[in-house]
Amino acid sequence: GENVEQHPSTLSVQEGDSAVIKCTYSDSASNYFPWYKQELGKRPQLIIDIRSNVGEKKDQRIAVTLNKTAKHFSLHITETQPEDSAVYFCAARMAGSSASKIIFGSGTRLSIRP
Amino acid sequence: KAGVTQTPRYLIKTRGQQVTLSCSPISGHRSVSWYQQTPGQGLQFLFEYFSETQRNKGNFPGRFSGRQFSNSRSEMNVSTLELGDSALYLCASSFGGQDGYTFGSGTRLTVV
Repeated sequence: GENVEQHPSTLSVQEGDSAVIKCTYSDSASNYFPWYKQELGKRPQLIIDIRSNVGEKKDQRIAVTLNKTAKHFSLHITETQPEDSAVYFCAARMAGSSASKIIFGSGTRLSIRP
Repeated sequence: KAGVTQTPRYLIKTRGQQVTLSCSPISGHRSVSWYQQTPGQGLQFLFEYFSETQRNKGNFPGRFSGRQFSNSRSEMNVSTLELGDSALYLCASSFGGQDGYTFGSGTRLTVV
């Protein structure tokens, strides 16, 4: 079935260190993988996305990698700062007749220790 | 340009009642998706509308329904409310449903 698994569910890192969140997806035909950041009491916001024809994408301190063979993608945040504390969701867009459906992982609560 | 607008922001309803939530997408966006967010279940897909047609539906009971109007505004309705329907309901819009979403602030529904 359609599923996106996300790990870890919670992550605590020292300010300045890197954080990595990993996701796997079930539909091998999925072709679009966005990441969202949700701060407490706020709406989820798109922070970076990657399409299946690209293996890696960077935007300043954040990067996403995609391994289509393993059906695995990851979010990397370098030089973490207090404002990076939030819940992060990975997602995958389904293919075929469900192409407009985006399925989310269960979320990772990232805490940055000062 | 204006973002995705959801009304109302908060609702308290009694078990057995019905409720209608509204979502106005970003101007020019034709795809509207609805999600239920709860602490234990994360973001669960409800349905997606494009040009007044439901293109996809999640695994929710028939008590959950929706529609989209010609101006792309969308409503979702939940009938015969249950305590377990208490959640944050998020609406998201995109131009054609093939790109990333922009979410609204959500409607927090509490069923008592």
